[in-house]
Amino acid sequence: DGGITQSPKYLFRKEGQNVTLSCEQNLNHDAMYWYRQDPGQGLRLIYYSQIVNDFQKGDIAEGYSVSREKKESFPLTVTSAQKNPTAFYLCASLGAGGWDEQFFGPGTRLTVL
Amino acid sequence: AQSVSQHNHHVILSEAASLELGCNYSYGGTVNLFWYVQYPGQHLQLLLKYFSGDPLVKGIKGFEAEFIKSKFSFNLRKPSVQWSDTAEYFCAVIKDTDKLIFGTGTRLQVFP
Repeated sequence: DGGITQSPKYLFRKEGQNVTLSCEQNLNHDAMYWYRQDPGQGLRLIYYSQIVNDFQKGDIAEGYSVSREKKESFPLTVTSAQKNPTAFYLCASLGAGGWDEQFFGPGTRLTVL
Repeated sequence: AQSVSQHNHHVILSEAASLELGCNYSYGGTVNLFWYVQYPGQHLQLLLKYFSGDPLVKGIKGFEAEFIKSKFSFNLRKPSVQWSDTAEYFCAVIKDTDKLIFGTGTRLQVFP
């Protein structure tokens, strides 16, 4: 089945450690997105990529980094510079049909201890 | 600042009650608008969208939304809610043709 996978579902890290969240899609979508979801704040855009080897900062990119070496993969690294990393992280992709065809992954809940 | 506002943060209803969730945006020009739903423990799903044409949009599961350009609003409605509608609802707007910006969400609880 086509879709977006994010792993792991739950992730725990110690403060000061970098951590990389995985996002893979087999939908052949060009564009991929990372959002952060916090209670009462909705979803906020961290980074997005419209094509391989290119990505753009979203509204809250500080303390995060991404790469897009392959079309199907868009990993997000939460660095030690992110002051409040504990959150639910959602990955999404957008198909050739445009905004008619945005799919979301199941999310990763990151807890920094 | 440009934004998407959902003023109802938490709504509690009994089954069969009517629902209206507010969504206002502050972006100028042409907008594309969406409502997404996130059921407990599930993926975010598209409920309905407005790109152009008839400002009254019908979505899945009996939901509809009306785009009122003069009021910068895209409120979500359902005439009679069910317990299974318990979820979090997000309004979203496309900004700059390539970024989907979300509101803060509204948590709906429906009691039998």
